[in-house]
Amino acid sequence: DTGVSQNPRHKITKRGQNVTFRCDPISEHNRLYWYRQTLGQGPEFLTYFQNEAQLEKSRLLSDRFSAERPKGSFSTLEIQRTEQGDSAMYLCASSSNLSGNTIYFGEGSWLTVV
Amino acid sequence: GDSVTQMEGPVTLSEEAFLTINCTYTATGYPSLFWYVQYPGEGLQLLLKATKADDKGSNKGFEATYRKETTSFHLEKGSVQVSDSAVYFCALSVGGANSKLTFGKGITLSVRP
Repeated sequence: DTGVSQNPRHKITKRGQNVTFRCDPISEHNRLYWYRQTLGQGPEFLTYFQNEAQLEKSRLLSDRFSAERPKGSFSTLEIQRTEQGDSAMYLCASSSNLSGNTIYFGEGSWLTVV
Repeated sequence: GDSVTQMEGPVTLSEEAFLTINCTYTATGYPSLFWYVQYPGEGLQLLLKATKADDKGSNKGFEATYRKETTSFHLEKGSVQVSDSAVYFCALSVGGANSKLTFGKGITLSVRP
């Protein structure tokens, strides 16, 4: 079991560019979550998948944000027309009934918008 | 809505000191409560959890008791080590296995030798 894997780990982009982050959950975990964490704050929920279905989206997830999990395995989070306020750590997590519903987090992807 | 409030930090202690980190919550339902820890350069890890009132979660010498009457889940450790230096997050989830976590702001603990 290799844990939740995220890449890239760090991304610096210019304002207005699009960025995409990838998350590979723990194998056979059917639930996948995205969170955002800014400095000095706790993680904030963005969205949640069960298998390939996106079941919940936070109002934090503006129209510029889109997440997909096309085959119920890995997921991508895309941010279009990035703004400086998007600078944050983007965390992916996964869980399943087999793991006792414990939510396991990846190490995160740092985004800096300049 | 649901929320978690943690005491202000940072906290600096000497090795072998007693640790208490306060956490209180507000929830619309009957939450499960968690403490997560983030060591330098690593991802969030579940430290302990409790799913019903009066349950005590424990791990690595840390303990927290689910107190419904005071809506609290304070984290304690009798004797901290330098290796406990990390950021600690209190969190809750409401509604069962599919539920998202709501986190507090976190508190940084530094333990000096």
